[in-house]
Amino acid sequence: NAGVTQTPKFRILKIGQSMTLQCTQDMNHNYMYWYRQDPGMGLKLIYYSVGAGITDKGEVPNGYNVSRSTTEDFPLRLELAAPSQTSVYFCASSYADRGNYGYTFGSGTRLTVV
Amino acid sequence: KNQVEQSPQSLIILEGKNCTLQCNYTVSPFSNLRWYKQDTGRGPVSLTIMTFSENTKSNGRYTATLDADTKQSSLHITASQLSDSASYICVVSANDYKLSFGAGTTVTVRA
Repeated sequence: NAGVTQTPKFRILKIGQSMTLQCTQDMNHNYMYWYRQDPGMGLKLIYYSVGAGITDKGEVPNGYNVSRSTTEDFPLRLELAAPSQTSVYFCASSYADRGNYGYTFGSGTRLTVV
Repeated sequence: KNQVEQSPQSLIILEGKNCTLQCNYTVSPFSNLRWYKQDTGRGPVSLTIMTFSENTKSNGRYTATLDADTKQSSLHITASQLSDSASYICVVSANDYKLSFGAGTTVTVRA
């Protein structure tokens, strides 16, 4: 059981380039999330999805886009990368969004924009 | 604004000793409080989840407490091991999809 798989683990982008961070889960979780983690700060929610075909903005969505065509996959797209997007990105999934359902996190993608 | 404050920011303890991490929150309405362990270069892993009615929960050598009246939680690590070196994150859930994350306490266990 792989859990939540993120690729790539590391990436360096030049300003203005675009890329897609991949996230796949094999637990049949309905809910999926993208967070960014900056040094000394708590994780911030970028986008989330409550099921295939449904996505919504979190706290810090600017500069990002997502899609959810299947239950398993939730890619995060960066268009026109900026230095402010240098961060560690975590994808997570959960069976539901409340109660005692825990979140399963991927191992992260460390992105540097230069 | 929903906030989660953790203290201390970091601490160093000797192997075998105990330590306690603190978490204060202003999240409302409250649904549950979670403690996560994050090893360097890895994603957070859940340690405990507590709802409003629970005031203590253990997971091995980790014991979390919750005082919903004062909006405080603590995580106690007993008989620390080198593998306990990590960042410990307090996460509070309101009655919607939103989680509020603390910045974490970095624990370093030295032999």
